[in-house]
Parts: sequence; structure tokens; C-alpha cells
Amino acid sequence: LAKTTQPISMDSYEGQEVNITCSHNNIATNDYITWYQQFPSQGPRFIIQGYKTKVTNEVASLFIPADRKSSTLSLPRVSLSDTAVYYCLVGGPPGAGSYQLTFGKGTKLSVIP
Amino acid sequence: SAVISQKPSRDICQRGTSLTIQCQVDSQVTMMFWYRQQPGQSLTLIATANQGSEATYESGFVIDKFPISRPNLTFSTLTVSNMSPEDSSIYLCSVEQTGGNNEQFFGPGTRLTVL
Repeated sequence: LAKTTQPISMDSYEGQEVNITCSHNNIATNDYITWYQQFPSQGPRFIIQGYKTKVTNEVASLFIPADRKSSTLSLPRVSLSDTAVYYCLVGGPPGAGSYQLTFGKGTKLSVIP
Repeated sequence: SAVISQKPSRDICQRGTSLTIQCQVDSQVTMMFWYRQQPGQSLTLIATANQGSEATYESGFVIDKFPISRPNLTFSTLTVSNMSPEDSSIYLCSVEQTGGNNEQFFGPGTRLTVL
């Protein structure tokens, strides 16, 4: 399983764009990259998933360079409610009976008023 | 998406006793997973529970300490046996829907404190 490395914590002011980078140097050819968000006293929640280049949904964008050894979660115009821990997972491929079950240490994002 | 509930939401237990945590899903799923999350830490997978077969445990976790039942496609239990204060943690169950995109849906967790 590919190991992931993320910054332990980040601070941002409200309204700013936040970029959290995850390193996964030994990612396998078939692996996908998935990000989760966890608020205190709740289970993690899926944010976004991608394989290469860029993926965007209603809450975030995921940028994956050509070598796929890293990925960047981009949160546009964060608010106080985005304060949470963000986890990057690697594995897959989806629907093939393989699972992304290894959570790294995560990045604690604190949004400041 | 899947909606998951856990019981109890929290409990305080005495050393040496056992606690069974229930996980209920609103749809049929093949794979269920049990995690432990100690305060301020990341999630650690305990075991994978597949309906109709024995659970598969991760390194460092054994069936005698964490027996798991999976009687049907919507329900599972995790028992924390012979508890010690080191077992104080949040226990979460999750599911992954068959044919999905590897997205896991998590329950709200059970906060266990062992005195």
C-alpha cells in the first residue's frame, strides 16, 4: 500500500483558498487518490477522488501531476466551518474489490476569522 | 449513499468488562470495516467484516480481544473484551457500497472510556 505524507497542520484566514498537498511516492499504476474530511466527534466524510490531472466538484478541486507522486486538495474561499482534519488515501481501483483503508496522520486545518 | 448508525454513542466501562458496539446500515452492503481512533490520532483499521465469513483482522488486533459478528448484510457488532484503560478510544464502523468508487461511509462513532 502506498504511504502518504501530509503536513500536520495548516492555518488559513476566512475567504482564502487553501491548498493541502499529499505525497505518495510509491503510488501504484491502478491506484486512485481520495480525500476525506473529519469534523470533531464525527466519522470521516468523502470529499473528492481522482486518478490524474484535475477533478472538481461542488466543494473542492483535486490536482494530480503527471507523475502522480503527489496530489493537492484545493478548498476555495474557506469558511470557519471548513475547520477539520483532512486525510489523503491511496488505493483502488474503484469497484475492483480493493479498498482504501489506510489513513495517514491527516492535516488539521484551522480557519481563522 | 449509505446511512450508518452506531450504538451506543458513548459509554464508560470498568476495567475487565466487555462492551458490544452495534453498527446498522440502511442498505445492504458486502463489506463493513471497523476502525479505532484514539484521541487526537488518525484512524486505524481493526478488521474487515464480510457477511458469511470470518472477519479479517489487521496486524496487532486479534479475534479474542475484538470479536466481530456479521449476521446479515445490514448489521455488524464489534466487542471490546476484557477492557483496559488503553482501550479508551472512538470506535467507528464504515461500509463501502458494492460497485462504488471506494467511497467509505462512516458511522458517527462510539466513544469508549475505560476506567
